[in-house]
Amino acid sequence: QSALTQPASVSGSPGQSITISCTGTSSDVGGYNYVSWYQQHPGKAPKLMIYDVSNRPSGVSNRFSGSKSGNTASLTISGLQAEDEADYYCSSYTSSSTQVFGTGTKVTVL
Amino acid sequence: QVQLQESGPGLVKPSGTLSLTCAVSGGSISSSNWWSWVRQPPGKGLEWIGEIYHSGSTNYNPSLKSRVTISVDKSKNQFSLKLSSVTAADTAVYYCARGYSSSWGRFDPWGQGTLVTVSS
Repeated sequence: QSALTQPASVSGSPGQSITISCTGTSSDVGGYNYVSWYQQHPGKAPKLMIYDVSNRPSGVSNRFSGSKSGNTASLTISGLQAEDEADYYCSSYTSSSTQVFGTGTKVTVL
Repeated sequence: QVQLQESGPGLVKPSGTLSLTCAVSGGSISSSNWWSWVRQPPGKGLEWIGEIYHSGSTNYNPSLKSRVTISVDKSKNQFSLKLSSVTAADTAVYYCARGYSSSWGRFDPWGQGTLVTVSS
């Protein structure tokens, strides 16, 4: 299975909004509302930020939001803060009953 | 709350078998959850390895399926990973995580991860 496609890097200034895309196919992202997003700081385990396309787990800031259109899912971070600087990964369920992660995006706060 | 902890050798010889265990605390491995293994080579992205349900049902990444076995030990509340015929390309931080059968791709929580190096 092929990894979902994400931009290698996205940057923004404090207070701005940024959006990270996650492109798959009709066999994964486009076929199911099972897209999740993870934040990973250096040396740490990934942290769940969004699940089922747009749901936030308890404790995750409402500055993080998710959406999907066709075969592309998106994570938007509004009111960008220094602590948001991290790597972000999407994941999706697939038609083969497996899971696949995205290639990862490094977010830089300028 | 549920916590996960990986354990196992940090160094494995090429062509050998990598074996890791994930201990589940604060909850039962027999709950309605899937239990997954994910790895991350140094400086690279996440790769899903596979998952197991307490009944023993498994799903594996097709690219690793021929070399992977995931098993569950309900008496010890833990699950395990075996990866055979390892090479340097299998050097990675290995994480275990809880998945949700009603919300595929949702992994939460994760273990802290354990680095496994394949080298002679």
